[in-house]
Amino acid sequence: AQSVTQLDSQVPVFEEAPVELRCNYSSSVSVYLFWYVQYPNQGLQLLLKYLSGSTLVKGINGFEAEFNKSQTSFHLRKPSVHISDTAEYFCAVSHSGGYQKVTFGIGTKLQVIP
Amino acid sequence: DADVTQTPRNRITKTGKRIMLECSQTKGHDRMYWYRQDPGLGLRLIYYSFDVKDINKGEISDGYSVSRQAQAKFSLSLESAIPNQTALYFCATSDSDSFYGYTFGSGTRLTVV
Repeated sequence: AQSVTQLDSQVPVFEEAPVELRCNYSSSVSVYLFWYVQYPNQGLQLLLKYLSGSTLVKGINGFEAEFNKSQTSFHLRKPSVHISDTAEYFCAVSHSGGYQKVTFGIGTKLQVIP
Repeated sequence: DADVTQTPRNRITKTGKRIMLECSQTKGHDRMYWYRQDPGLGLRLIYYSFDVKDINKGEISDGYSVSRQAQAKFSLSLESAIPNQTALYFCATSDSDSFYGYTFGSGTRLTVV
């Protein structure tokens, strides 16, 4: 079985400050990792993904994440946040073969303070 | 038009009523999923379908049923709605040949009173 832990339910940060949203996963097999963003009253949008290759993954809107296999982590970072980044962010994991079932974390609400 | 369309966007229904949520997609994906989102619980899988004849229960299927009418259509039914089924419901799709994550619909906000 696979699982995802998002360590912070809410993260307040001032505008133009850096942010890190933490994610740890558990799986006995190779994984794919994802970050999704959900803006208010909208569906989930794929922010970035790790499938294989370089462990540093760049996504949309200036976000990036680093896959750390030894620490089973996939933390999301942005060097300078904007008001428009206020949203809920979900980390997710799936096995790297076959099934494609994705398990989601409980989400982290990022609140950017002017 | 959106790649994954869910109808209705919002619905209020009474306890005991039968309700259907619909999902259609133009992505050409073969796999479709229904999730529900609750505050503090993230997204939980209700049902998933790998093709028209392959439907499987997810982790919280009790009280729900689904129908895959065509490759592009996947509907979720609540046979007898109860208040703890009040939630935001999402349909998602993926492609078995090239998996790059899910494509989500905009969601249906369901309130059972």
